[in-house]
Amino acid sequence: GAVVSQHPSRVICKSGTSVKIECRSLDFQATTMFWYRQFPKQSLMLMATSNEGSKATYEQGVEKDKFLINHASLTLSTLTVTSAHPEDSSFYICSAPHYTTDTQYFGPGTRLTVL
Amino acid sequence: QKEVEQNSGPLSVPEGAIASLNCTYSDRVSQSFFWYRQYSGKSPELIMSIYSNGDKEDGRFTAQLNKASQYVSLLIRDSQPSDSATYLCAVNPGGGSGGSNYKLTFGKGTLLTVNP
Repeated sequence: GAVVSQHPSRVICKSGTSVKIECRSLDFQATTMFWYRQFPKQSLMLMATSNEGSKATYEQGVEKDKFLINHASLTLSTLTVTSAHPEDSSFYICSAPHYTTDTQYFGPGTRLTVL
Repeated sequence: QKEVEQNSGPLSVPEGAIASLNCTYSDRVSQSFFWYRQYSGKSPELIMSIYSNGDKEDGRFTAQLNKASQYVSLLIRDSQPSDSATYLCAVNPGGGSGGSNYKLTFGKGTLLTVNP
């Protein structure tokens, strides 16, 4: 299947700092990528749809000024958690649809811990 | 509201048995259906995709789709302890535009435990 990478895989930061997470489609182009968050023992929650060349679309209840999304190229989307707080500690996962197969492939995820 | 329902489980089966995972969806015009496996602490991994009514087999996995009943299932034959994971049913409701056309609606997942 197609490959999606994320970096970093794990990050620990102090409260109040900003953290950037990268999502890359390695062997296909993705004009759209999706960002999810998952708390322990809970289901995936879609945060936003990242669109290359235009603004991201955020799900209801997700603060767009706190979770900045930039889709810089056809293979890269970044999620920046600004002024992170302990309650932002979670598992952040991106996905990218492969258009020829109508299938979404997930990155390996980034575990964020805010102290 | 478009919904995907799964039994949360846990579903426990002995090694070598058939595990049956079920999923129903509310949006009748849904086009694409997927099963993902998620191990604890890991991201989801695609197991099967199915688009047409009937069965689709891939190794020990069989996906079954019945659009009239709005039902999709996953059968795992000869279950192994390594199959122990949460299985997520995902549906593409379609009807969006641009990139949102690929947005998936996920069920909450069924936790499967295969006992040696």
